[in-house]
Amino acid sequence: EAGVTQSPTHLIKTRGQQATLRCSPISGHTSVYWYQQALGLGLQFLLWYDEGEERNRGNFPPRFSGRQFPNYSSELNVNALELEDSALYLCASSNNPGTGNQPQHFGDGTRLSIL
Amino acid sequence: AQSVTQLDSQVPVFEEAPVELRCNYSSSVSVYLFWYVQYPNQGLQLLLKYLSGSTLVKGINGFEAEFNKSQTSFHLRKPSVHISDTAEYFCAVKRGTGFQKLVFGTGTRLLVSP
Repeated sequence: EAGVTQSPTHLIKTRGQQATLRCSPISGHTSVYWYQQALGLGLQFLLWYDEGEERNRGNFPPRFSGRQFPNYSSELNVNALELEDSALYLCASSNNPGTGNQPQHFGDGTRLSIL
Repeated sequence: AQSVTQLDSQVPVFEEAPVELRCNYSSSVSVYLFWYVQYPNQGLQLLLKYLSGSTLVKGINGFEAEFNKSQTSFHLRKPSVHISDTAEYFCAVKRGTGFQKLVFGTGTRLLVSP
């Protein structure tokens, strides 16, 4: 069974540009989560999508947005990039989110570097 | 709101020695608890989880953890570590229902030397 896959592995942008990160969940998983792992800030919850809808977002500005497609894959978009957006962005997926007891399985992340 | 504290930022240990990585959490509601491991340049891999039932849970790679509700702890243990266990370990908590985000601790770097 294929795990969570993310692309690209690395992404280099400059300030003010826009970045798009992609995630394919494990087959059968309907929920996708995005986390930011920034140096010194730890792992922070960004967004949760389930069945194509945004269900919850963390304490991030609106320039962080995304969507989930009918095949449950997801995109994370970051507009007007700032230096502090440099981080590893991790995507995770799970099934049956309503019960709360399904673990989240993570991809290897996209490392976003802002120059 | 939930929070997780990992008191040790780094734990050095010799190969074949036992190790315990500490995790304490706070929550006003029932939670699920997880330990993840992150190897260099990789994502997070689930080591084990506590959902309910037996307070001693066994995971992959010989790791186990014990849920202690009275002490709000979920410490990770391994009786004999290997060089390959060198990695960052994260404790995480999730509320039982509804809100689905994982709240992570700051991580503990396990350094295993020969």
